Amino acid sequence: DVVMTQTPVSLPVSLGGQASISCRSSQSLVHSNGNTYLHWYLQKPGQSPQLLIYRVSNRFSGVPDRFSGSGSGTDFTLKISRVEPEDLGDYYCLQSTHFPWTFGGGTKLELK
Amino acid sequence: EVQLVETGGGLVQPGRSLKLSCVASGFTFNNYWMSWTRQAPGKGLEWVASITNSGGSTYYPDSVKGRFTISRDNAQNTLYLQMNSLRSEDTATYYCTRYDYWGQGVMVTVSS
Repeated sequence: DVVMTQTPVSLPVSLGGQASISCRSSQSLVHSNGNTYLHWYLQKPGQSPQLLIYRVSNRFSGVPDRFSGSGSGTDFTLKISRVEPEDLGDYYCLQSTHFPWTFGGGTKLELK
Repeated sequence: EVQLVETGGGLVQPGRSLKLSCVASGFTFNNYWMSWTRQAPGKGLEWVASITNSGGSTYYPDSVKGRFTISRDNAQNTLYLQMNSLRSEDTATYYCTRYDYWGQGVMVTVSS
Protein backbone atom coordinates (compact mmCIF):
# COMPACT_ATOMS: atom_id res chain seq x y z
CA ASP A 1 0.00 0.00 0.00
CA VAL A 2 1.10 3.59 -0.62
CA VAL A 3 1.91 5.30 2.66
CA MET A 4 1.14 9.02 2.77
CA THR A 5 3.28 10.86 5.30
CA GLN A 6 1.77 14.23 6.10
CA THR A 7 3.60 16.88 8.12
CA PRO A 8 3.33 18.67 10.41
CA VAL A 9 0.66 17.07 12.58
CA SER A 10 -0.17 20.44 14.15
CA LEU A 11 0.44 23.85 12.60
CA PRO A 12 -0.12 26.98 14.71
CA VAL A 13 -0.60 30.06 12.54
CA SER A 14 -1.47 33.71 12.93
CA LEU A 15 -4.38 35.19 11.06
CA GLY A 16 -3.05 36.80 7.92
CA GLY A 17 0.01 34.58 7.96
CA GLN A 18 1.10 31.74 5.70
CA ALA A 19 0.93 27.97 6.21
CA SER A 20 2.57 25.11 4.38
CA ILE A 21 1.66 21.42 4.66
CA SER A 22 3.72 18.59 3.18
CA CYS A 23 2.56 15.22 1.93
CA ARG A 24 5.09 12.59 0.87
CA SER A 25 4.17 9.26 -0.69
CA SER A 26 6.08 6.00 -0.40
CA GLN A 27 5.98 5.57 -4.19
CA SER A 28 5.38 7.73 -7.21
CA LEU A 29 1.81 8.94 -7.68
CA VAL A 30 2.12 9.31 -11.44
CA HIS A 31 -0.55 7.09 -12.99
CA SER A 32 0.09 5.07 -16.14
CA ASN A 33 -2.12 7.61 -17.96
CA GLY A 34 0.30 10.41 -17.00
CA ASN A 35 -1.96 12.08 -14.43
CA THR A 36 -1.08 12.45 -10.75
CA TYR A 37 -4.04 11.81 -8.47
CA LEU A 38 -3.09 13.73 -5.34
CA HIS A 39 -5.81 15.80 -3.73
CA TRP A 40 -6.18 18.04 -0.67
CA TYR A 41 -9.18 18.33 1.64
CA LEU A 42 -10.16 20.56 4.56
CA GLN A 43 -12.43 19.26 7.30
CA LYS A 44 -13.79 22.06 9.44
CA PRO A 45 -14.93 21.17 12.97
CA GLY A 46 -18.18 19.21 12.90
CA GLN A 47 -18.33 19.15 9.10
CA SER A 48 -17.67 16.75 6.24
CA PRO A 49 -14.39 17.06 4.34
CA GLN A 50 -14.42 19.50 1.44
CA LEU A 51 -12.21 19.31 -1.63
CA LEU A 52 -9.72 22.14 -1.99
CA ILE A 53 -7.20 21.01 -4.61
CA TYR A 54 -7.44 18.13 -7.09
CA ARG A 55 -4.69 16.51 -9.13
CA VAL A 56 -1.88 18.35 -7.35
CA SER A 57 -2.55 21.95 -8.29
CA ASN A 58 -6.12 22.52 -9.52
CA ARG A 59 -8.34 24.59 -7.24
CA PHE A 60 -11.84 23.19 -6.87
CA SER A 61 -14.85 25.36 -7.64
CA GLY A 62 -15.23 28.23 -5.17
CA VAL A 63 -11.87 27.70 -3.46
CA PRO A 64 -10.06 31.02 -2.92
CA ASP A 65 -6.75 31.61 -4.68
CA ARG A 66 -5.11 31.83 -1.24
CA PHE A 67 -4.89 28.04 -1.53
CA SER A 68 -2.30 26.56 -3.85
CA GLY A 69 -0.97 23.07 -4.44
CA SER A 70 2.30 21.99 -5.96
CA GLY A 71 4.63 19.04 -6.26
CA SER A 72 5.35 15.98 -8.34
CA GLY A 73 6.24 12.33 -8.06
CA THR A 74 6.32 11.67 -4.32
CA ASP A 75 6.55 15.14 -2.80
CA PHE A 76 3.59 17.51 -2.56
CA THR A 77 2.79 20.76 -0.77
CA LEU A 78 -0.33 22.72 0.09
CA LYS A 79 0.22 26.42 0.78
CA ILE A 80 -2.27 28.77 2.37
CA SER A 81 -1.51 32.46 2.24
CA ARG A 82 -3.24 35.18 4.27
CA VAL A 83 -4.85 32.65 6.64
CA GLU A 84 -8.43 33.50 7.58
CA PRO A 85 -10.53 32.14 10.47
CA GLU A 86 -12.55 29.89 8.12
CA ASP A 87 -9.32 28.12 7.08
CA LEU A 88 -8.88 26.51 10.49
CA GLY A 89 -9.47 22.79 10.74
CA ASP A 90 -7.96 19.47 9.70
CA TYR A 91 -6.24 19.11 6.32
CA TYR A 92 -5.80 15.76 4.58
CA CYS A 93 -4.05 14.67 1.42
CA LEU A 94 -5.42 11.72 -0.56
CA GLN A 95 -3.78 9.63 -3.26
CA SER A 96 -6.12 7.88 -5.68
CA THR A 97 -3.49 6.76 -8.19
CA HIS A 98 -3.02 3.32 -6.63
CA PHE A 99 -5.47 1.00 -4.90
CA PRO A 100 -6.02 1.03 -2.00
CA TRP A 101 -6.54 4.79 -1.97
CA THR A 102 -4.80 6.22 1.07
CA PHE A 103 -5.02 9.43 3.08
CA GLY A 104 -2.35 11.29 4.95
CA GLY A 105 -2.68 11.32 8.71
CA GLY A 106 -3.92 14.90 8.79
CA THR A 107 -2.67 18.33 9.82
CA LYS A 108 -4.53 20.46 12.33
CA LEU A 109 -4.31 24.15 11.40
CA GLU A 110 -4.93 26.18 14.54
CA LEU A 111 -4.41 29.67 15.85
CA LYS A 112 -1.09 30.49 17.42
CA GLU B 1 -26.64 21.52 -6.55
CA VAL B 2 -24.92 18.22 -5.83
CA GLN B 3 -26.39 16.48 -2.79
CA LEU B 4 -25.48 13.17 -1.19
CA VAL B 5 -27.69 11.99 1.67
CA GLU B 6 -26.72 8.93 3.68
CA THR B 7 -29.07 6.84 5.80
CA GLY B 8 -29.02 3.52 7.59
CA GLY B 9 -26.56 4.05 10.41
CA GLY B 10 -27.07 3.02 14.00
CA LEU B 11 -25.98 0.76 16.82
CA VAL B 12 -25.30 -2.86 15.90
CA GLN B 13 -23.79 -5.81 17.76
CA PRO B 14 -20.46 -7.31 16.73
CA GLY B 15 -20.86 -9.94 14.04
CA ARG B 16 -24.14 -8.51 12.77
CA SER B 17 -24.90 -6.71 9.51
CA LEU B 18 -25.97 -3.23 8.46
CA LYS B 19 -26.71 -1.65 5.08
CA LEU B 20 -26.07 2.02 4.35
CA SER B 21 -27.76 3.94 1.54
CA CYS B 22 -26.84 7.20 -0.16
CA VAL B 23 -29.28 9.04 -2.39
CA ALA B 24 -27.62 11.33 -4.91
CA SER B 25 -29.11 14.35 -6.66
CA GLY B 26 -28.01 17.35 -8.67
CA PHE B 27 -25.82 15.45 -11.14
CA THR B 28 -25.95 12.58 -13.62
CA PHE B 29 -25.30 9.74 -11.18
CA ASN B 30 -24.37 7.09 -13.74
CA ASN B 31 -21.53 9.25 -15.07
CA TYR B 32 -19.47 9.01 -11.89
CA TRP B 33 -17.52 6.56 -9.82
CA MET B 34 -18.74 6.64 -6.23
CA SER B 35 -17.05 5.75 -2.95
CA TRP B 36 -17.48 5.30 0.78
CA THR B 37 -14.95 6.74 3.21
CA ARG B 38 -15.07 6.47 6.99
CA GLN B 39 -13.72 8.29 10.02
CA ALA B 40 -13.44 6.66 13.43
CA PRO B 41 -14.16 9.00 16.36
CA GLY B 42 -11.29 11.46 16.74
CA LYS B 43 -9.29 9.81 13.96
CA GLY B 44 -8.38 10.45 10.34
CA LEU B 45 -10.03 9.43 7.09
CA GLU B 46 -9.99 5.88 5.70
CA TRP B 47 -11.15 4.91 2.20
CA VAL B 48 -13.58 1.97 2.39
CA ALA B 49 -14.84 1.15 -1.10
CA SER B 50 -15.29 2.45 -4.65
CA ILE B 51 -17.47 1.42 -7.56
CA THR B 52 -17.26 2.33 -11.22
CA ASN B 53 -20.04 4.34 -12.84
CA SER B 54 -21.60 1.25 -14.42
CA GLY B 55 -21.20 -0.81 -11.27
CA GLY B 56 -19.13 -3.33 -13.16
CA SER B 57 -16.05 -3.08 -10.94
CA THR B 58 -15.58 -2.59 -7.22
CA TYR B 59 -12.53 -1.94 -5.06
CA TYR B 60 -11.81 -2.37 -1.35
CA PRO B 61 -8.92 -2.14 1.12
CA ASP B 62 -7.93 -5.34 2.89
CA SER B 63 -9.52 -4.09 6.14
CA VAL B 64 -13.05 -4.62 4.75
CA LYS B 65 -12.56 -6.93 1.75
CA GLY B 66 -14.83 -9.96 2.00
CA ARG B 67 -17.05 -8.30 4.64
CA PHE B 68 -18.29 -5.11 2.90
CA THR B 69 -19.98 -4.85 -0.49
CA ILE B 70 -20.50 -1.62 -2.40
CA SER B 71 -23.25 -1.51 -5.00
CA ARG B 72 -25.39 1.01 -6.84
CA ASP B 73 -28.77 1.38 -8.48
CA ASN B 74 -28.35 3.91 -11.27
CA ALA B 75 -32.09 4.00 -11.97
CA GLN B 76 -32.68 5.12 -8.37
CA ASN B 77 -29.55 7.32 -8.08
CA THR B 78 -28.61 5.36 -4.98
CA LEU B 79 -25.34 4.00 -3.64
CA TYR B 80 -25.20 1.22 -1.05
CA LEU B 81 -22.75 -0.28 1.40
CA GLN B 82 -23.61 -3.71 2.78
CA MET B 83 -21.54 -4.33 5.90
CA ASN B 84 -21.36 -7.88 7.28
CA SER B 85 -19.47 -9.43 10.20
CA LEU B 86 -19.12 -6.03 11.79
CA ARG B 87 -16.34 -5.44 14.31
CA SER B 88 -15.81 -2.79 16.97
CA GLU B 89 -13.09 -1.26 14.78
CA ASP B 90 -15.74 -0.55 12.12
CA THR B 91 -17.24 2.08 14.44
CA ALA B 92 -17.06 5.33 12.49
CA THR B 93 -18.89 8.01 10.59
CA TYR B 94 -19.38 6.76 7.04
CA TYR B 95 -19.36 9.27 4.20
CA CYS B 96 -20.76 8.77 0.73
CA THR B 97 -18.49 10.62 -1.68
CA ARG B 98 -18.04 11.41 -5.34
CA TYR B 99 -14.52 12.39 -4.20
CA ASP B 100 -15.24 16.05 -4.97
CA TYR B 101 -18.52 16.15 -3.05
CA TRP B 102 -19.26 14.46 0.28
CA GLY B 103 -22.42 13.66 2.16
CA GLN B 104 -23.00 14.72 5.75
CA GLY B 105 -22.07 11.27 7.01
CA VAL B 106 -23.88 8.60 9.01
CA MET B 107 -22.68 7.12 12.30
CA VAL B 108 -22.22 3.39 12.72
CA THR B 109 -21.51 2.07 16.21
CA VAL B 110 -20.56 -1.56 16.67
CA SER B 111 -20.92 -2.56 20.29
CA SER B 112 -22.53 -5.21 22.44
